Formats: sequence, C-alpha cells, structure tokens
Amino acid sequence: NAGVMQNPRHLVRRRGQEARLRCSPVKGHSHVYWYRQLPEEGLKFMVYLQKENIIDESGMPKERFSAEFPKEGPSILRIQQVVRGDSAAYFCASSPLYGTGSTGELFFGEGSRLTVL
Amino acid sequence: AQTVTQSQPEMSVQEAETVTLSCTYDTSENNYYLFWYKQPPSRQMILVIRQEAYKQQNATENRFSVNFQKAAKSFSLKISDSQLGDTAMYFCAFMKVDMRFGAGTRLTVKP
Repeated sequence: NAGVMQNPRHLVRRRGQEARLRCSPVKGHSHVYWYRQLPEEGLKFMVYLQKENIIDESGMPKERFSAEFPKEGPSILRIQQVVRGDSAAYFCASSPLYGTGSTGELFFGEGSRLTVL
Repeated sequence: AQTVTQSQPEMSVQEAETVTLSCTYDTSENNYYLFWYKQPPSRQMILVIRQEAYKQQNATENRFSVNFQKAAKSFSLKISDSQLGDTAMYFCAFMKVDMRFGAGTRLTVKP
C-alpha cells in the first residue's frame, strides 16, 4: 500500500551536470504533478502529466527542464545543465482522476531535495 | 489563471487556544475544490481538510474547520484547541485541473 515514492531523496550536483528526479505514483493513479519549493516559500506548480501525455507545462521553465510519464515506469523530471538557482525541493503528487474527480485530492511524495554546488 | 493568496506569513497561538488562518483566491470557475495542507518540519505534505465548491456546508475534521465564503472567494481555516503538533507551515490550495498553492502561513503553537 505504498504512497507516492520519490527518489532520490537528496541529490547533489555540480553546475552544468544533469539531475534526474523520479516519481512513482500511488498504484492505479494515472496523473502526476510536479512542484518546486524554494526555501521558505510555497509550492510552485511546474507540470501536470498523464500517462504518455503532458497536459499542462505552463509552470516549467522553457529551457533545461523536461518531464515525462511513460506508459511503464516512473515519471521523470529532468534538469539539464543545472545552476545554483535550481537548488530546491521538488515534490511529486499523484491523483486517480482528471481535475475535479471524486475527491480532487493530490497525494504527495516526500520530495527530492536538489543541491547544486 | 487561478491565484491563491495567504496574507499572513506567520502566526502564533497559545496551546489549547483557537487560531484562524486566512486564504483568498481568484477564479472564474464555478466548480472546484479547496484544500488546506500542512507541512511540518519533515516537509511531508499532509492533507488537513477539503471543501467542494458546490457544497454550502463548511467542512470539518475534528479540531479543524473552514469558513468557506464562495461569493467572497474566501476560505479560512480554524484550528481549535491548538496542540504543539500543529506547529507547521499551512498551505491553502485551489484545485480545478491542477492544484495551485498560496505562499503559506507559518504557525507556531506555544506551550
């Protein structure tokens, strides 16, 4: 009865390297959301995906950031050529239904903390 | 796009007392969900309470209740009999297609 699983929990990268963050949603959930949280700030929406489709990526920077949710396997948030400003906690959440489904609730993972040196 | 505003960056309350956290939002939608999430120092996002916009009755969960004013687009959280374990960041959130959060209110419960 696993919830949303994110890994790694902590990731350290040097400037210019790539960061890959993985998210396995709750079993049976087909919708995944990624959020970024800077220290002492709220969660900023980045991207909303369904299996094999990006539904809304309006919160994701146009360059260096990409996300996918393949038919099989976890959702991946990829950050290329990381910079110090990318240091943040990245949260993944999942839901079973589109938009205002039966509960609307998102189930959150524990987050992945990225530190860029 | 929907925006969520929490105008109280920090609040404190004495143990066993009542505190109200404010939240307003902006939307042209008629049907949506509103949430309060709690984020303790562990950083885990924990659902506190949920409100469906089509329901007029205010949601309650034990010591937590909301005052939902749809016309005013206001959604405040009341915590009764505050406990030390309530110390956390509290985020108000609006959900239609995806979930958008306010900036948060840091609540400290003092013994």
